[in-house]
Amino acid sequence: GQQLNQSPQSMFIQEGEDVSMNCTSSSIFNTWLWYKQDPGEGPVLLIALYKAGELTSNGRLTAQFGITRKDSFLNISASIPSDVGIYFCAGHLGGGTSYGKLTFGQGTILTVHP
Amino acid sequence: GAVVSQHPSRVICKSGTSVKIECRSLDFQATTMFWYRQFPKQSLMLMATSNEGSKATYEQGVEKDKFLINHASLTLSTLTVTSAHPEDSSFYICSAGPGHRTDTQYFGPGTRLTVL
Repeated sequence: GQQLNQSPQSMFIQEGEDVSMNCTSSSIFNTWLWYKQDPGEGPVLLIALYKAGELTSNGRLTAQFGITRKDSFLNISASIPSDVGIYFCAGHLGGGTSYGKLTFGQGTILTVHP
Repeated sequence: GAVVSQHPSRVICKSGTSVKIECRSLDFQATTMFWYRQFPKQSLMLMATSNEGSKATYEQGVEKDKFLINHASLTLSTLTVTSAHPEDSSFYICSAGPGHRTDTQYFGPGTRLTVL
């Protein structure tokens, strides 16, 4: 099935550094979601974006819904060891044959060195 | 709010047996729930969409007779893996959105299935 192009695939950073990851698509979405998944757990919703151009923060996390509706980015500021995990972007189209379904990126594996 | 639970969290079964996995929305009602399968170090793969009061919609390549889905109420969907084989071993995760919403989905903690 269709997947979003998420990059980078992995990141190795030092504690305190800022992190940036993004997702792009060839088609538009009406909602962008960012999730974090710890090993052996289900994904946890971090930020939901519903409007093109929307910029939303959740603590040290900031995400934006691209103005073209084909991309989104997630920034993490001042990373800490507990930020380690896999981050997924997901797009939601809304109606049509894809009603209700989320399209996922491949994930970004984040490693934070103390 | 928006908590989704799954039971069991881990299950080990013998080849040929059936296993039922429950997905519950604890503090909201969900008309639609989704079932995913995830292989190690890979993204989530949608298996089927579970609709309360009607038949589930399966993704291409997913055997509906093998993965039986029942959405008996607005807070409960079940996935039954019938006649399980070792290749069915995987991490199964469900998701749900409040009410009729599907644009904001909350995931359960997942169920690790191991078929011997």
